[in-house]
Amino acid sequence: EPEVTQTPSHQVTQMGQEVILRCVPISNHLYFYWYRQILGQKVEFLVSFYNNEISEKSEIFDDQFSVERPDGSNFTLKIRSTKLEDSAMYFCASSETGGPYNEQFFGPGTRLTVL
Amino acid sequence: SQQGEEDPQALSIQEGENATMNCSYKTSINNLQWYRQNSGRGLVHLILIRSNEREKHSGRLRVTLDTSKKSSSLLITASRAADTASYFCAGRGGGNKLTFGTGTQLKVEL
Repeated sequence: EPEVTQTPSHQVTQMGQEVILRCVPISNHLYFYWYRQILGQKVEFLVSFYNNEISEKSEIFDDQFSVERPDGSNFTLKIRSTKLEDSAMYFCASSETGGPYNEQFFGPGTRLTVL
Repeated sequence: SQQGEEDPQALSIQEGENATMNCSYKTSINNLQWYRQNSGRGLVHLILIRSNEREKHSGRLRVTLDTSKKSSSLLITASRAADTASYFCAGRGGGNKLTFGTGTQLKVEL
């Protein structure tokens, strides 16, 4: 069964460093998302992406964050200058369509630890 | 209550029993999805119920939706130890983003 994959599974970085989290969405899906979950808290929406453009973003998704689809299979989240509070599990998700009844399928997550 | 708030926060049952988790939300939704998360792992999609549906089944899962009360329930029948996980509801309103609840931690004991 097709699934969303993410690399790395765990990333440790120093505060102020740039990180890139990578995702390979399900191949026939057109909509892509990033969410994050700070330890012990709710899963929070960051951004949605369609047709090489951001379609929606949350207040969390400030200028430190960017997303890109560099080729036909990868979808990346870049954090330019990491802060301690960016430590979280980051989930990539994809859906086949953007219609009101689409299911979003999540990857296993990347645990980001900022020291 | 906040958008997507589950109760109970924690539930402990014996294997073979049924587990019921409830979710409430504040704003209108197009659909509501339930996910399972094993400790520290990814989110596994369980079931989606549309706003115009009242009940949906998938294997041992039964989901109900009451849009007048802005609430949903997830029933797991004949629970197994492997069902031990956190369960989240997530509502989709306008746009594509999902708004997640706080989750219910289910423990199924042998």
